Amino acid sequence: EAQVTQNPRYLITVTGKKLTVTCSQNMNHEYMSWYRQDPGLGLRQIYYSMNVEVTDKGDVPEGYKVSRKEKRNFPLILESPSPNQTSLYFCATFSASYEQYFGPGTRLTVT
Amino acid sequence: RKEVEQDPGPFNVPEGATVAFNCTYSNSASQSFFWYRQDCRKEPKLLMSVYSSGNEDGRFTAQLNRASQYISLLIRDSKLSDSATYLCVMDSSYKLIFGSGTRLLVRP
Repeated sequence: EAQVTQNPRYLITVTGKKLTVTCSQNMNHEYMSWYRQDPGLGLRQIYYSMNVEVTDKGDVPEGYKVSRKEKRNFPLILESPSPNQTSLYFCATFSASYEQYFGPGTRLTVT
Repeated sequence: RKEVEQDPGPFNVPEGATVAFNCTYSNSASQSFFWYRQDCRKEPKLLMSVYSSGNEDGRFTAQLNRASQYISLLIRDSKLSDSATYLCVMDSSYKLIFGSGTRLLVRP
């Protein structure tokens, strides 16, 4: 079964405590992406990756890092989280037929 | 101005009604458009792609008007299970740009 998994699904943390949200896909897709979703703003792209070791900034990259050391994984790193990064985060991949598969989401609260 | 704009709604309709959503976009070079459906606190899921010739999938019809730069989604014979947020999405070279969504509530 085609799948995008994210962990953790829910996280409450404090300002400044580094965290990583993992994303993994089993479809061998080259393209992966991270979005955040906030009320009234829709989904906004944070970072994307066209292939292993190839990453690029999306619309809202400030405060985030990513890495793509292997095709299946695309972790999102918050080195020093702040309350304005409280959001719902989605990882996604692109299929050859141009369809995006989303992970189930990670709800992050930074206090 | 947002690249993709949608009426946030909510659209509150009775079961069996026909409802239509419009979405306007600003980038005339965009080639691909989609409608996604998102249930509360869940991930978005592709509902249908949108083509210039229009396309239909059961009770759902999507249309693209390039001259006026808008796309539409028509839902016929609304079901309670159609209650969700509908996201208008524009592709820009592997980058999907999302509207903020239109909420639909179908009541018994």
